[in-house]
Amino acid sequence: QKEVEQDPGPLSVPEGAIVSLNCTYSNSAFQYFMWYRQYSRKGPELLMYTYSSGNKEDGRFTAQVDKSSKYISLFIRDSQPSDSATYLCATLSRGDDKIIFGKGTRLHILP
Amino acid sequence: DTGVSQNPRHKITKRGQNVTFRCDPISEHNRLYWYRQTLGQGPEFLTYFQNEAQLEKSRLLSDRFSAERPKGSFSTLEIQRTEQGDSAMYLCASSPQGAVYEQYFGPGTRLTVT
Repeated sequence: QKEVEQDPGPLSVPEGAIVSLNCTYSNSAFQYFMWYRQYSRKGPELLMYTYSSGNKEDGRFTAQVDKSSKYISLFIRDSQPSDSATYLCATLSRGDDKIIFGKGTRLHILP
Repeated sequence: DTGVSQNPRHKITKRGQNVTFRCDPISEHNRLYWYRQTLGQGPEFLTYFQNEAQLEKSRLLSDRFSAERPKGSFSTLEIQRTEQGDSAMYLCASSPQGAVYEQYFGPGTRLTVT
């Protein structure tokens, strides 16, 4: 079992819809949880990071961590065609130096 | 622009040749990371530096790979005797002291080995 599992998609939703992207992880030692956005043939761009459980909001983006079920989510409100990209979840143990990435979910926002 | 920069952006080489990539991190970041990403996969950790010291190397980093960060600023990643399996996007990232979770990536170098 990979340490971070993520459905590769593609996920297609109409413009303006709420998007829900999810990951599961296996290592209970993970304490930091990150979401990256990656456009085609570009480097990943850090969107948000959270520590431990709870929610964090930044504009149209909300990250949610449920450590009891080892489940992390990213919600995008009022989705735009410019949100079309691959979204990578990533995790990190406290005191560790290696980020573990999921495979990424390809998202298409349909105009 | 004060983000992470990487050169070259694309490299096509023949099998058996040596290649070298360069990464310039965000200037105030003391940590620098190298990752490899293949199609449909997330980035995979290769190695990282704190200042000029290389502190960890992945099992993915065979003896043909070497990385340096001689003055704690820019870094180079060299691949000797390239193989077709080395074809991938090579990504560099940097982070501030004490914030491993806050890594900022460069645009990557896409390597194609023919």
